[in-house]
Amino acid sequence: AQSVAQPEDQVNVAEGNPLTVKCTYSVSGNPYLFWYVQYPNRGLQFLLKYITGDNLVKGSYGFEAEFNKSQTSFHLKKPSALVSDSALYFCAVRDWGNQFYFGTGTSLTVIP
Amino acid sequence: EPEVTQTPSHQVTQMGQEVILRCVPISNHLYFYWYRQILGQKVEFLVSFYNNEISEKSEIFDDQFSVERPDGSNFTLKIRSTKLEDSAMYFCASSVGQSHRSAFFGQGTRLTVV
Repeated sequence: AQSVAQPEDQVNVAEGNPLTVKCTYSVSGNPYLFWYVQYPNRGLQFLLKYITGDNLVKGSYGFEAEFNKSQTSFHLKKPSALVSDSALYFCAVRDWGNQFYFGTGTSLTVIP
Repeated sequence: EPEVTQTPSHQVTQMGQEVILRCVPISNHLYFYWYRQILGQKVEFLVSFYNNEISEKSEIFDDQFSVERPDGSNFTLKIRSTKLEDSAMYFCASSVGQSHRSAFFGQGTRLTVV
């Protein structure tokens, strides 16, 4: 069965500091991994995805994620956090049947 | 930029009533989905729809739920007899297809069953 785990419910980081939001996954077969962001009262917005190729994937708003097959991780990163990055972040894996499996979400707060 | 739109943004209904949540997917997309997010919990898959039929559904999607694409543009989720535990944010999504593609999500409909 496919699943993702986001071990941190809440991440706080100071503005300008690097941020990391953790995600580990469990899949059978090749992983198709995604990060989505949810702002208050908004839907899920696509940030980036890993399909194949380079382990470091770059996405929207300066975010990137590193695929690590040996650790089955796909952590979301940004070199310098902005207050506007404060939101709920969801890691997801998609299976061959096109169904997304989402993590429980991590609430990111960037402190001015 | 194309987007998935959902109406209404908030629906309040009495327990036992029927509700229909509406979605307009992105026009060239072929796969359509409904997801549910109970407050404070993870986003859960309900159903996927392709070629005018359900391609996959979860355990949550029982007989009280149904989906259809009545006119080639709208994609609806009907809940026949709502229960208190149906209160959640319901997200519609669409994609061109295939597992390596990202899906585009609507802004959600908040359903409150009282």
